Amino acid sequence: QVQLQESGPGLVKPSGTLSLTCAVSGGSISSSNWWSWIRQPPGKGLEWIGEIYHSGSTNYNPSLKSRVTISVDKSKNQFSLKLSSVTAADTAVYYCARNGIAVAGSRWFDPWGQGTLVTVSS
Amino acid sequence: DIQMTQSPSSLSASVGDRVTITCRASQSISSYLNWYQQKPGKAPKLLIYAASSLQSGVPSRFSGSGSGTDFTLTISSLQPEDFATYYCQQSYSTPSTFGQGTRLEIK
Repeated sequence: QVQLQESGPGLVKPSGTLSLTCAVSGGSISSSNWWSWIRQPPGKGLEWIGEIYHSGSTNYNPSLKSRVTISVDKSKNQFSLKLSSVTAADTAVYYCARNGIAVAGSRWFDPWGQGTLVTVSS
Repeated sequence: DIQMTQSPSSLSASVGDRVTITCRASQSISSYLNWYQQKPGKAPKLLIYAASSLQSGVPSRFSGSGSGTDFTLTISSLQPEDFATYYCQQSYSTPSTFGQGTRLEIK
């Protein structure tokens, strides 16, 4: 079964760039699925950040679009998130997840990675 | 963006109770509505997709219904492991958006 694992620095300085990677195991990132990043500030709700297909096609949340880049590395079976110009408001648990099969309306998320807390602080 | 509003925000119930959580969309989303369960310190878990389809491995006491703007998640007989926070999410349009969550607590 597919498993996802996030990795990256747990502390980022304000105005810096947050960089995370999601390693996919038990399946291929070149399957007929999109792959998403989702975040959750401490004690708060969930926010979808964006998604990528193995072709490199992306969709982003307009609220973050100017600061977000999602990329894929098929040779390593992983995808990555970069969020620039971070502030304390970007402190959150960041999750990667697999979307449903790539048909209209199938942007549900299963499975999810365990999540990684990223704190923005000097 | 489509706004998703869940009610109630919190709920106290007992083991064996039948519980219903409601999710309302700010515009019609057809049946593109999904439900998740999240326990403290854990990632959300998909329960229901496309409004009423039970994800593989999820107990049959969970069910979903609705279309358009109004949706419900029902747990037919609460079990101790069901006490958690539940989120709805629309997959009709970009960006996907989530409800604010419903915290289900033990009475």
